[in-house]
Amino acid sequence: EIVLTQSPGALSLSPGDGATLSCRASQSVSSSHLAWYQQKPGQAPRLLIYGASSRATGIPDRFSGSGSGTDFTLTISRLEPEDFAVYYCQQSGSSITFGGGTKVEIK
Amino acid sequence: EVQLLESGGGLVQPGGSLRLSCVASGFTFSNSVMRWVRQAPGKGLEWVSSIRGSGVDTYYADSVKGRFTISRDNSKNTLYLQLNSLRAEDTAVYYCAKPHCSGDTCWYFDYWGQGTLVTVSS
Repeated sequence: EIVLTQSPGALSLSPGDGATLSCRASQSVSSSHLAWYQQKPGQAPRLLIYGASSRATGIPDRFSGSGSGTDFTLTISRLEPEDFAVYYCQQSGSSITFGGGTKVEIK
Repeated sequence: EVQLLESGGGLVQPGGSLRLSCVASGFTFSNSVMRWVRQAPGKGLEWVSSIRGSGVDTYYADSVKGRFTISRDNSKNTLYLQLNSLRAEDTAVYYCAKPHCSGDTCWYFDYWGQGTLVTVSS
């Protein structure tokens, strides 16, 4: 099973700040099989990024994804109030696994 | 518009059973791989089970293998998850989710239901 480790576990930031979230895989993952989701309290996850770097429909361009192999990154260029949430990475190259999540909270 | 609507959650005693349902609309259900994903309170996401469009091929996480059964009724556009021999650690919100697939390859989850809460407690 491919284990995805997300870091940091939590980020305390202010609106307007940039955020860099990391997702590290225990073995190589094809970029096409790496996705990022945003989840707010009481809601289902929402797809943000697929194929490591492609934004899903309706996702603003302040969200960007990058990386390959075992290291992937989600970057939020300027945090808006609605961006404070938990973010998960997910791989589907070998079975299906999710990272433990990074909580982006208001400082 | 794609919609996934789960139901069937509730409070059940350890060792008990429950059947979850997910009614789908807005896409060709019979052609679509479908999955269940769960989330324990305050925890992360865990894939539980998958089923191909025909219903013949099914897949399970090790944590539920032998206790949970995924199935579907394509005439009713409905996905099911039968939960047997329930344990406290099965307490979670269960989401029905549709992955984006092409042929035999699936990638990300592009649609999720709102989830149904299963609580296993005496």
